[in-house]
Amino acid sequence: GAVVSQHPSRVICKSGTSVKIECRSLDFQATTMFWYRQFPKQSLMLMATSNEGSKATYEQGVEKDKFLINHASLTLSTLTVTSAHPEDSSFYICSAPGLSYEQYFGPGTRLTVT
Amino acid sequence: GQQVMQIPQYQHVQEGEDFTTYCNSSTTLSNIQWYKQRPGGHPVFLIQLVKSGEVKKQKRLTFQFGEAKKNSSLHITATQTTDVGTYFCADDMDTGRRALTFGSGTRLQVQP
Repeated sequence: GAVVSQHPSRVICKSGTSVKIECRSLDFQATTMFWYRQFPKQSLMLMATSNEGSKATYEQGVEKDKFLINHASLTLSTLTVTSAHPEDSSFYICSAPGLSYEQYFGPGTRLTVT
Repeated sequence: GQQVMQIPQYQHVQEGEDFTTYCNSSTTLSNIQWYKQRPGGHPVFLIQLVKSGEVKKQKRLTFQFGEAKKNSSLHITATQTTDVGTYFCADDMDTGRRALTFGSGTRLQVQP
């Protein structure tokens, strides 16, 4: 099946710094990718839709200036958490739609802000 | 906005027992997808249901879509320790974007 990778898998950063997370579709092209956030023992919440060649679409309540998304190519989307704070600590997961209706999820990035 | 709730939040069963999780939506769903997330892992697609009253089976897993397309269920027969994880239902919101709204999830623990 299709594979989506994420890098890094874990990152610890200091409060006020920025962190970039990469999401790659390894064996297929994705004009659209999605970024989700998952707090411990909670469900996944859609943050934004990453669109290749155009601006990302953010869900209500998600600050676009804080969570910068760049979809530079058909296989790469990046999420940059700017000026990270402890409350941004979470599990960030990207996904890309398959040919049919399924979504392929990356392995996730666990962000800890100290 | 649309809410997709799942019950129970958590279930602990003995290996060999059956397990069911229920997904309920406040609005009519265009379709419903089910995902499994192992502890520390990422969601993995299980199945999609589209038709009213649809029933699909995958080995020990039985998926059902309600007649009114507002609820769905996942039933596991004779659970195994490999079934441990959180099961989510999800709706693609019928916007054409294919982004998903996830249910609250049911965490299954299987005691060997």
